[in-house]
Amino acid sequence: AQKVTQAQTEISVVEKEDVTLDCVYETRDTTYYLFWYKQPPSGELVFLIRRNSFDEQNEISGRYSWNFQKSTSSFNFTITASQVVDSAVYFCALSGGGNRDDKIIFGKGTRLHILP
Amino acid sequence: DTEVTQTPKHLVMGMTNKKSLKCEQHMGHRAMYWYKQKAKKPPELMFVYSYEKLSINESVPSRFSPECPNSSLLNLHLHALQPEDSALYLCASSQVIRSPGGYGYTFGSGTRLTVV
Repeated sequence: AQKVTQAQTEISVVEKEDVTLDCVYETRDTTYYLFWYKQPPSGELVFLIRRNSFDEQNEISGRYSWNFQKSTSSFNFTITASQVVDSAVYFCALSGGGNRDDKIIFGKGTRLHILP
Repeated sequence: DTEVTQTPKHLVMGMTNKKSLKCEQHMGHRAMYWYKQKAKKPPELMFVYSYEKLSINESVPSRFSPECPNSSLLNLHLHALQPEDSALYLCASSQVIRSPGGYGYTFGSGTRLTVV
């Protein structure tokens, strides 16, 4: 069975602090995809990153960085120098690979508050 | 065109009404999905269509009736809903044939439904 665990329900940090959102996943697939989505108060799901199981390179995009470690089944997300606009719910998600339609399994989400 | 378009953005309906949600994509994706998201919860899968055929129904009540008239359109027909069905309804689409470098799983902005 596939499962995504985001142990942090809610995090509050002061603006300009760095913050890391944890994500641990379970899957029996050898090919799979991991995602992070941002959901601001307006409600839409904003795609942040997709990583496939064959690519363990860490990625940096501006203030955002992701650490993918297959050995610990983790895909953590770090925001550097946080800003108030980063306040949102962040979902880590998992989908199987292969030639079939696949549902995305979401974690429960981490609500991030960036305090001015 | 890399978008999934959902209409309407907001909908208020009575428990005896019949309404429909619409989802459209022109990315050539052959898998389309309906997700339901209650407040402060992650999105939950309702239905999956693959090549215009229903492939997954996650035990959704019959008052929700999906329809996929062609490869670009996905509808969700609503009838005799209950107040507890109030939620954000998200549509998504994806490629059915996957490759490690390509995975077009895209969400729409959602329809926020209120049942009164």
